[in-house]
Amino acid sequence: KAGVTQTPRYLIKTRGQQVTLSCSPISGHRSVSWYQQTPGQGLQFLFEYFSETQRNKGNFPGRFSGRQFSNSRSEMNVSTLELGDSALYLCASSAGLAGDNEQFFGPGTRLTVL
Amino acid sequence: QKEVEQNSGPLSVPEGAIASLNCTYSDRGSQSFFWYRQYSGKSPELIMFIYSNGDKEDGRFTAQLNKASQYVSLLIRDSQPSDSATYLCAGDTGRRALTFGSGTRLQVQP
Repeated sequence: KAGVTQTPRYLIKTRGQQVTLSCSPISGHRSVSWYQQTPGQGLQFLFEYFSETQRNKGNFPGRFSGRQFSNSRSEMNVSTLELGDSALYLCASSAGLAGDNEQFFGPGTRLTVL
Repeated sequence: QKEVEQNSGPLSVPEGAIASLNCTYSDRGSQSFFWYRQYSGKSPELIMFIYSNGDKEDGRFTAQLNKASQYVSLLIRDSQPSDSATYLCAGDTGRRALTFGSGTRLQVQP
């Protein structure tokens, strides 16, 4: 069974630009969660999508948004990039059903904002 | 105060010894707990999860949960140099929004 895939793996952007990251979950999984990992703040939850609906949202500004498609693939968008957005962005795949919330991470997208 | 606390380490153990990693949490609504291993430059890898009080064993790994004390631990028996990594503890209130500790760096000395 293929694991979670994320594209691109690396991105370099400048302040003020926007970026879109993509995540394909494990086949059969319907939940995709996004996390930001930085040396200072660690791993922080951004949002979770299930069946094309955002179910949960973390404490991040509105510049961070996402969506999920009918095939469960998910995209995350960050607009008006700031230097502090430089981080490893991880998506996690899970079945999304009650009592089945093991989350499996993809390799991540490393975003550098200059 | 962070909701999930871990000692940052490094925790250094000799090869073959038992490594004991600990985690405390403040949110009593947390229902399940997860241990992830993260090698430098890689993404977190799920090792174990636990949601009932007591012990849960999987190979060389044992997770322990004490909800009354709000304490979670991971024991690694027969530690190997390949176990050297950062171990992340995470709690979930059922919303699939994992709250992570800052991680404990484990070093297994050959």
